[in-house]
Amino acid sequence: GQQVMQIPQYQHVQEGEDFTTYCNSSTTLSNIQWYKQRPGGHPVFLIQLVKSGEVKKQKRLTFQFGEAKKNSSLHITATQTTDVGTYFCAGHGGATNKLIFGTGTLLAVQP
Amino acid sequence: DGGITQSPKYLFRKEGQNVTLSCEQNLNHDAMYWYRQDPGQGLRLIYYSQIVNDFQKGDIAEGYSVSREKKESFPLTVTSAQKNPTAFYLCASSLRGAYGYTFGSGTRLTVV
Repeated sequence: GQQVMQIPQYQHVQEGEDFTTYCNSSTTLSNIQWYKQRPGGHPVFLIQLVKSGEVKKQKRLTFQFGEAKKNSSLHITATQTTDVGTYFCAGHGGATNKLIFGTGTLLAVQP
Repeated sequence: DGGITQSPKYLFRKEGQNVTLSCEQNLNHDAMYWYRQDPGQGLRLIYYSQIVNDFQKGDIAEGYSVSREKKESFPLTVTSAQKNPTAFYLCASSLRGAYGYTFGSGTRLTVV
C-alpha cells in the first residue's frame, strides 16, 4: 500500500539552529499537507502545497513540494523553543485518494 | 467560534466493555475522520465519512464502529473485539477531502 516516510524520526537542535524534515511517498501525490502537533496536543494544519515544485513560506518556515510530487520538505530557520513538537506531512494519492500521514519528525529545541 | 469538540478527554474502560467516543463539529464540514495514535507513532485512519449516512473503513477498522446520522456528529464505538484499544483517538473534519483537516483535542482511552 501507499506509504509516506519522514526523516529524521527525531532531531535535537540548539535554539537558533536551522531544522529540516523530509517527506517521501511511495506514490505520486495530488497534494501535500503539513501539520504540527505540540507535546500532549493535537495536530494543527499548517499548509497545503499542490503544484509541482511549489515553494511556500510562513515566517521562518519554508515548505517545498518536489518536482515529481513524491517528496516534500519543511525547513525552519533559526529555531525557537516554541517550534518544539512533531511535524507530520500528509498526502492525498493512490486509488482511494485518502490522506495518508507520514511517520512524523519530533523536534526538540534546547534553549 | 467554530471547531471540533471531542469528549471525554480521558476515558477508562474495563476489558470486555464497549465505549463510545463523541465527536461534534460546527464548521459545516462535509467530511469527518477518526484516527488512532499510539505513543511515538503516526496517525492511522480508522473510519471516515464524506456524507451523512455513509462511511468507509480505514486501514484499522477492525474492532471499531461508527455512525453518521447528522452532519455535525461522528461518534466512534470501541468494541470489546478491539484487542489493544489503549491509545489516543483523534477526530478530524474537512470541508471536502482535499482540504486541510481540523482536529479535535482528542480522547485518551485506557483499558484497565
